[in-house]
Amino acid sequence: KAGVTQTPRYLIKTRGQQVTLSCSPISGHRSVSWYQQTPGQGLQFLFEYFSETQRNKGNFPGRFSGRQFSNSRSEMNVSTLELGDSALYLCASSLSPGQSYEQYFGPGTRLTVT
Amino acid sequence: AQSVTQPDIHITVSEGASLELRCNYSYGATPYLFWYVQSPGQGLQLLLKYFSGDTLVQGIKGFEAEFKRSQSSFNLRKPSVHWSDAAEYFCAVGNGNKLVFGAGTILRVKS
Repeated sequence: KAGVTQTPRYLIKTRGQQVTLSCSPISGHRSVSWYQQTPGQGLQFLFEYFSETQRNKGNFPGRFSGRQFSNSRSEMNVSTLELGDSALYLCASSLSPGQSYEQYFGPGTRLTVT
Repeated sequence: AQSVTQPDIHITVSEGASLELRCNYSYGATPYLFWYVQSPGQGLQLLLKYFSGDTLVQGIKGFEAEFKRSQSSFNLRKPSVHWSDAAEYFCAVGNGNKLVFGAGTILRVKS
């Protein structure tokens, strides 16, 4: 069974631009979560989607948004990029929402903002 | 608020030696606890999890962890470390469907 895939793997953007990252969950998984990983802040929860609905959101500004499609694939968007948005963005999928369901992570998208 | 503390930022062990990585959590109810490993440039791989029941849980790659409620700890152990175990290790607690992670411990293995 294929794992979680994320595209693109690497991105370089300029301040003020916007970016869209994509995540395809493991087949059969319906819940997708996004995390941001930086050296200073570590791993932080961005948001979680299930059945095309955002169920949970972390403490990030409104520039960070996401969506989920009917096939469970998810995208996240960051508008008006700032230098501090440079990070590894990780997507995780699970069978269903709830902490008893294991989350499986993709390899991440490395975003560099210049 | 839920939190996870990994007191050791870096740990260096010799190949073949035993390993223990510490994790302390703060959580009001019965915690769902996880250990993940991240190799450079990679995502996170689940090593093991604790939901309930036996407090000693076995994971992949020869790792185990013990849940101690009285100490609010979930330490990761391995009896004999291999050079390929060099990576960063994260302890996490489940809160709803989000994971709250510790800051991570970087494991270096010396030959």
